[in-house]
Amino acid sequence: GAVVSQHPSRVICKSGTSVKIECRSLDFQATTMFWYRQFPKQSLMLMATSNEGSKATYEQGVEKDKFLINHASLTLSTLTVTSAHPEDSSFYICSAKKSGRGYEQYFGPGTRLTVT
Amino acid sequence: ILNVEQSPQSLHVQEGDSTNFTCSFPSSNFYALHWYRWETAKSPEALFVMTLNGDEKKKGRISATLNTKEGYSYLYIKGSQPEDSATYLCAFMGWDGTSGTYKYIFGTGTRLKVLA
Repeated sequence: GAVVSQHPSRVICKSGTSVKIECRSLDFQATTMFWYRQFPKQSLMLMATSNEGSKATYEQGVEKDKFLINHASLTLSTLTVTSAHPEDSSFYICSAKKSGRGYEQYFGPGTRLTVT
Repeated sequence: ILNVEQSPQSLHVQEGDSTNFTCSFPSSNFYALHWYRWETAKSPEALFVMTLNGDEKKKGRISATLNTKEGYSYLYIKGSQPEDSATYLCAFMGWDGTSGTYKYIFGTGTRLKVLA
């Protein structure tokens, strides 16, 4: 199998606080993990590519100081939304690619973030 | 800018009907096309990875075709069942000359509801 978990599934936080979302590959090693965001009625938009042991690569328009990504092990990547604001409210979903194995991505179930 | 479109946005079919939907993508710099099935509150599940023009893949009652020259892929479901109700996403992987990297671009999905 190839199971990816994401925690928490839902989080509500106050404006100005930081929120950390975890993405774990449960039964495989993932050198590369991806973080996506989805606004209502829009497609999944890639925010950043996270590589174990190195700095994440951010897509154009995504603030790296606001969305901190850490990929400290082969099974865990975290996304921290710092100083969250209501416009950061969205659905965040991660995926993981098996180390050295083609291009297939395995997705977590996503995190619904609401900033009040 | 790489753009991936899916149509229709949503459809309702009766149990037993066959249905199909379309994913349109750039015909140049193609690398791979993925189809996912995404049920509410679950992780997107990979259905097919397609790489060659003319590819046809089949998984049970679901099949897909690929035309890279004209930039489209069709997903077919034969004899739809209520459990097929989900959002079907396609994702195009291709070379983006502007950024000098491979890009993974999702369509907005087709929401299928199969009525019993």
